[in-house]
Amino acid sequence: GQQVMQIPQYQHVQEGEDFTTYCNSSTTLSNIQWYKQRPGGHPVFLIQLVKSGEVKKQKRLTFQFGEAKKNSSLHITATQTTDVGTYFCAAANAGGTSYGKLTFGQGTILTVHP
Amino acid sequence: EPEVTQTPSHQVTQMGQEVILRCVPISNHLYFYWYRQILGQKVEFLVSFYNNEISEKSEIFDDQFSVERPDGSNFTLKIRSTKLEDSAMYFCASSPRPANRAYEQYFGPGTRLTVT
Repeated sequence: GQQVMQIPQYQHVQEGEDFTTYCNSSTTLSNIQWYKQRPGGHPVFLIQLVKSGEVKKQKRLTFQFGEAKKNSSLHITATQTTDVGTYFCAAANAGGTSYGKLTFGQGTILTVHP
Repeated sequence: EPEVTQTPSHQVTQMGQEVILRCVPISNHLYFYWYRQILGQKVEFLVSFYNNEISEKSEIFDDQFSVERPDGSNFTLKIRSTKLEDSAMYFCASSPRPANRAYEQYFGPGTRLTVT
């Protein structure tokens, strides 16, 4: 089955430092989505990337989709304590027969020290 | 803003018992999903449901699991005979279109299932 690898598993940063998490798929993706899960919470959609090489920004967050549509990254500039949580990439496969199954990466747990 | 709701928030059951987890998806959504997350691990797909039938399921979703949309608003996950390893957080999600057509999924708050 499809594999989605996400690294690193943990990232501890001082407030104000940058943070990046990376996601790689074994297969070409129709799109990739990013979710944030606060401790004790549920996944909350952040963004989706559809086009090869796409870059999207949300304030301090920058999302990239690789040219081959097999990898993606999330970069947070100048982290704040409110950024704490687990960041998951979630891949939707290319192909017309899928009904929207998302394959999640293992997630990166971000802790921010004030 | 519309949201997915799930009940109960926490269910404790004994091994071998049947449990039903309930979800109310967002009302105009057409695609429904169950995922589970074992504590500290990633979110795993269980099943997708569209047009009143299962459209895709994972290898986790064996004969002990079933889903139903009994009344047009609720979406349920039944585990017939629970095992210790079924202990996890179960998330329901819904979407107006499937994810591979570039639509996000809206997750409910989850039901924490503890099997003793």
